[in-house]
Amino acid sequence: GNSVTQMEGPVTLSEEAFLTINCTYTATGYPSLFWYVQYPGEGLQLLLKATKADDKGSNKGFEATYRKETTSFHLEKGSVQVSDSAVYFCALTPLGKGSQGNLIFGKGTKLSVKP
Amino acid sequence: KAGVTQTPRYLIKTRGQQVTLSCSPISGHRSVSWYQQTPGQGLQFLFEYFSETQRNKGNFPGRFSGRQFSNSRSEMNVSTLELGDSALYLCASSTGTTNTGELFFGEGSRLTVL
Repeated sequence: GNSVTQMEGPVTLSEEAFLTINCTYTATGYPSLFWYVQYPGEGLQLLLKATKADDKGSNKGFEATYRKETTSFHLEKGSVQVSDSAVYFCALTPLGKGSQGNLIFGKGTKLSVKP
Repeated sequence: KAGVTQTPRYLIKTRGQQVTLSCSPISGHRSVSWYQQTPGQGLQFLFEYFSETQRNKGNFPGRFSGRQFSNSRSEMNVSTLELGDSALYLCASSTGTTNTGELFFGEGSRLTVL
């Protein structure tokens, strides 16, 4: 079946540190991959996405590359800010019938950035 | 453009009661999905509605049900509440016409079952 595994948190970093949050997936075929972010007290919002192998999604300084050979979609940012403190979710959308509106999420990784 | 609105934001119920949660999608969006978020299980898909029809369903018992109205607003109902139903219930909307995976989430309804 489809599943997403991401590194457990919490992750605590100092401002301007480099961030990596690991995400691997199991799926049939080549699903689309996503990173969603949930800021305190808010709903989830899409951060970036990639729809095929070797695609790189990027937004707000965050990047992730769709690696088919390692079934991974790791999130990276070169210099984090306090405002990046949030919970980050890796997700995929199953292919075919039954996939509309249905995202498979990882458990989430809480990031805290200290000034 | 208004975002996804969920009501109520917080509610407390006792075991055996039922609850109805409401979701108003972004204007023009015809698909509404519901998710349950708990610390142990994370985010789990409940069901998705499009044009008043349930199009997809997750692996939840029949106590969890939903519906969608002609204006795309959606409600979900949980009957015979159990302690384990305590969770944040998130609603998400999308156009629903293509499966891009881009969902717009509301802030959620936090249900506590005592």
